[in-house]
Order: sequence, then C-alpha cells, then structure tokens
Amino acid sequence: AQKITQTQPGMFVQEKEAVTLDCTYDTSDPSYGLFWYKQPSSGEMIFLIYQGSYDQQNATEGRYSLNFQKARKSANLVISASQLGDSAMYFCAMRGSNAGGTSYGKLTFGQGTILTVHP
Amino acid sequence: DAGVIQSPRHEVTEMGQEVTLRCKPISGHDYLFWYRQTMMRGLELLIYFNNNVPIDDSGMPEDRFSAKMPNASFSTLKIQPSEPRDSAVYFCASTGGNTQYFGPGTRLTVL
Repeated sequence: AQKITQTQPGMFVQEKEAVTLDCTYDTSDPSYGLFWYKQPSSGEMIFLIYQGSYDQQNATEGRYSLNFQKARKSANLVISASQLGDSAMYFCAMRGSNAGGTSYGKLTFGQGTILTVHP
Repeated sequence: DAGVIQSPRHEVTEMGQEVTLRCKPISGHDYLFWYRQTMMRGLELLIYFNNNVPIDDSGMPEDRFSAKMPNASFSTLKIQPSEPRDSAVYFCASTGGNTQYFGPGTRLTVL
C-alpha cells in the first residue's frame, strides 16, 4: 500500500520569498514517481513537477523544485520567489511500479496544503 | 493539444435522476482515471482504465455508479439514481508517460 502525508494544512508566505511544502511518503514498491499538483480556487488541477525514484538529480521546473530525499522518504516542493498567483491548494502524489518498472498507473494523493501568499 | 475535455462543466439535477459525465482524454494517452473531490473526503479515485479496459473499480462507491470506455477517445461516468451525497466535483484525468493531466472537472449538484 502507498501513503502520502502532507502535515501542513496551511502555509503562509510573503510575496517574493521562498516556501517549502512538505510531503512524506511510504511505499514498498521498488520504483515510483512523485508528483506535485496545484489547485487554485478556480478548481482545476495543474501538474507542476515530477520526480522519479531513480532520478539522480532533483527535478526543477521554473520556480518549482522538488527536494527529494529518498532515505527520508520525503519529496518537498520548493517554490522560489512566491507570487500572489501561487496562492492555492497543493497536492503531493505518488505512483508505484512493479519490479519490472511497469507503472501501476494510479496516483495516491495527500490531503493537500493550502498556501497563501501575502503581498 | 486541447488537453482533457470534460462535459458538462456544471450539472444540477434532482435526486433520483440519471447523470452522465463525459470525458475525452488526451490523444495517445493509455490510462484514464475518474476522481471525485469533496471537502469532506478530499480527492478519491473512483475507477481507472488502461487501454480502454477497467483495471481497478474498487473506489466506485455503489452500484449506482458505473463507468465505460468504449474507445480510446471517450469515457462516461454514470450515476443512476443520483443522490444529494453524490454532489461533488468529478475529474477525469489521462496519463501519457510520467505525467497525469486532469480535465477541468464537472461540478455536480444533486438537489
């Protein structure tokens, strides 16, 4: 079974500062992928970033980076230079694979963290 | 690419009525997922398909819910009969490679 834990129900950050959203996971799958999604108040789910468990480097996408610490089973999202438009719910998710590397397909989501960016 | 397309975007119906939600996945994607999101329960996976075949429907809450994927470009989620507790946002998503993309969702209100 897979489990994603996001321990921060809400986070506040000042505009232009960096913020880290925490995510820990638990799985027995030999390989897996980790994802972050953003859900603004308009409701859509926006894919932000992906990290494979065997990727050597931490993933980055513009102002988003994923701080992947495999031994600690954590996959924190770092947003640099926060903007007012970053205010949203953020979900961490994972997808497992079998020993042959075949993905199971479905994602397991955490409960989410609401980020509020103050001007 | 137009992304995942869902219709309708909003649906208001009365208890007992049949509701059909529709989804067109991104072309070439081989997985399709149906999720439900509520404030109380968060984001729940209802069912998912791989190459049009249902793989896991353990999240479908009751026999009132059914889903089909007759071809690679179309899927439906049907609720019959609908109940007020079915009120939620229903998302369809499709996966190609490592990334799962969500549709805009259908906001269902059952009165």
